[in-house]
This record gives sequence, structure tokens and C-alpha cells, in this order.
Amino acid sequence: NAGVTQTPKFRVLKTGQSMTLLCAQDMNHEYMYWYRQDPGMGLRLIHYSVGEGTTAKGEVPDGYNVSRLKKQNFLLGLESAAPSQTSVYFCASSPVWDRGSSGETQYFGPGTRLLVL
Amino acid sequence: QKEVEQDPGPLSVPEGAIVSLNCTYSNSAFQYFMWYRQYSRKGPELLMYTYSSGNKEDGRFTAQVDKSSKYISLFIRDSQPSDSATYLCGGGSNYKLTFGKGTLLTVNP
Repeated sequence: NAGVTQTPKFRVLKTGQSMTLLCAQDMNHEYMYWYRQDPGMGLRLIHYSVGEGTTAKGEVPDGYNVSRLKKQNFLLGLESAAPSQTSVYFCASSPVWDRGSSGETQYFGPGTRLLVL
Repeated sequence: QKEVEQDPGPLSVPEGAIVSLNCTYSNSAFQYFMWYRQYSRKGPELLMYTYSSGNKEDGRFTAQVDKSSKYISLFIRDSQPSDSATYLCGGGSNYKLTFGKGTLLTVNP
């Protein structure tokens, strides 16, 4: 199993450009998440999904959109990139959380480094 | 106040030392508690997971959760240079986790 994979690994954008980050998981997990990690700020949740066709906002959703058309994929879009979106983006997935009975943990991908000039 | 507070360190110890990493949290709804280890330029990997209060041990690692005081701890015995990484604590409910900022640990040979 590949686990959680992210594409691309690194990208440089100019201000105003758009791009899509792709996350894929092969563990048949219901839940998927997008985080950003910045120095001194830790991991912050951008958007998440509790199932195919559903999405919800996290802590820092502004400037991002997401889609989950297939259970195994979760896309993060930047419509008009800004320098403040320079960060490392992590995708994660988890099985359904059921009161400690099914290993409620989040499994992370390797990350995408994004630089917006 | 952030929901999860964690001293960012950095923390530097000699090889073989016992390491204690701690977090506090404010959200009483948290039922799930996790510790992740993150090596430089890598994704976080799950180290320990605890549901509700109590202790959990896995080899050299012990995780403790005290819900009465809202305290999360990770102990590393006989620390090794390979333990040098950033350690992230997290608390969660309703399938969402909130993380601390991470503690950078260096174990010196």
C-alpha cells in the first residue's frame, strides 16, 4: 500500500496564478484533511471531508477550495495564489472514529512545498 | 488561547536521557489524543494514540493523558540520536484533530 500520496512535491507560483494539489489514499478511509504547516504556527486545518461528495471548512479556509469527487482523492485548489499561501501543505486521511474501537488516527502524506512569489 | 498549547523548545538532551514532552489543552470535548513525530522535511508519522484518559506504552515510549487536568505527556526512555525530530501533540473529537505547535528535540550522541 502506498498510503497517502501527494502531487506535486514542490511548486513555485507567481502571485495570482492558480493550481490544484492532489491527494490520494489507498486505505479506503472515509475522512480526509488538508493542513498547512508554517514555522511557529504548527499544523492548521484548512478543509476536511467526511465522505465522498462532502467538504467542510477548517480553521483557515480562506483562499482555498476543495473537492472530493471520489472517495480516494481529495483536491485542494488555490484560485489566485498569494505570498501568504507560501507554506508546506499536508494531506491526511483517517478511518471512521468510533470511540476508540477502530484506531482513530490520521495518516499523513509527505507534503507539498509551495512557494508563491 | 489555542486549544492545544505546547512548549516549542528546542530541547537538547544527551543520548540515553529520559525525555518528557508535555502539552495542555482547553477543549473538554477532546476524547482522542495523539503524538506524532516529524523528521525534517517529512510528513508527521503517528507515534502514540490514546482514547480517553490513561497510559499507553510502546517500547521506549509512554503516553499519558490526564483529562482532569487536561494534560498530555510523552516520555521517551533511553533516548537515541534517531529520536531527534519535532514532536507534535494533538487532541481531537468529532474526527478533527487540533495540534500543538510542536517541540523540536535533539538527542546528542
